[in-house]
Amino acid sequence: QVQLQESGPGLMQPSETLSLTCIVSGGSISGYYWTWIRHSPGTGLEWIGYISYNGASKYNPSLRSRVTLSVNTSKNQFSLKLSSVTAADTAVYYCAKMQFGDLSAFDYWGQGTPVTVSS
Amino acid sequence: QPVLTQPPSASGTPGQRVTISCSGDNSNVGTNTVNWYQHYPGTAPKLLIYTNDQRPSGVPDRFSGSKSGTTATLAISGLLSEDEADYYCAAWEDSLDGYVLFGGGTKLTVL
Repeated sequence: QVQLQESGPGLMQPSETLSLTCIVSGGSISGYYWTWIRHSPGTGLEWIGYISYNGASKYNPSLRSRVTLSVNTSKNQFSLKLSSVTAADTAVYYCAKMQFGDLSAFDYWGQGTPVTVSS
Repeated sequence: QPVLTQPPSASGTPGQRVTISCSGDNSNVGTNTVNWYQHYPGTAPKLLIYTNDQRPSGVPDRFSGSKSGTTATLAISGLLSEDEADYYCAAWEDSLDGYVLFGGGTKLTVL
């Protein structure tokens, strides 16, 4: 059973860079695509982007200029960097595994890590 | 800007059948598969329906999905109080190099 665990800073100041890591256990990161999704009460679910086990990536056009995803297969983990954060980036951030063959089907999720951007 | 449109709310009484729609266009729902998620606040979303009408292992057959043209529909029959949650549709959007679109979500209330 694949398990995912996010880790992040919790509280941030505006203009800082958010860094999150997702550790995958119970299975190999290789062969699959991995994604980040966030949820805020006013916006609902928002897809941030995906990174494949071999480094291929795609991003939400609305965030593309600020997002970088990376993968570390030796550590079985992948990461998110979001630059120049504002209050609008306050959300619960989830990492998830993309189901093989369907780019919008996410079958395993982390429990989520809350991020608050406030001065 | 492409969007997936869901009703913001839906409701039903125990035992009833309710449906939630997800309307898109030919660059998303019309040409790509639709997936549905159930989300209880404070927990991780759960994949409820994939590839338009398939249920993952463990999802009761009270939940079903369908798609016709640019509209997908989630149906819940034999409504239970535990079904009270937020429901989201998702589909791949072909424009702008491709990305995942989520619907705005539907809050289901069991009366």
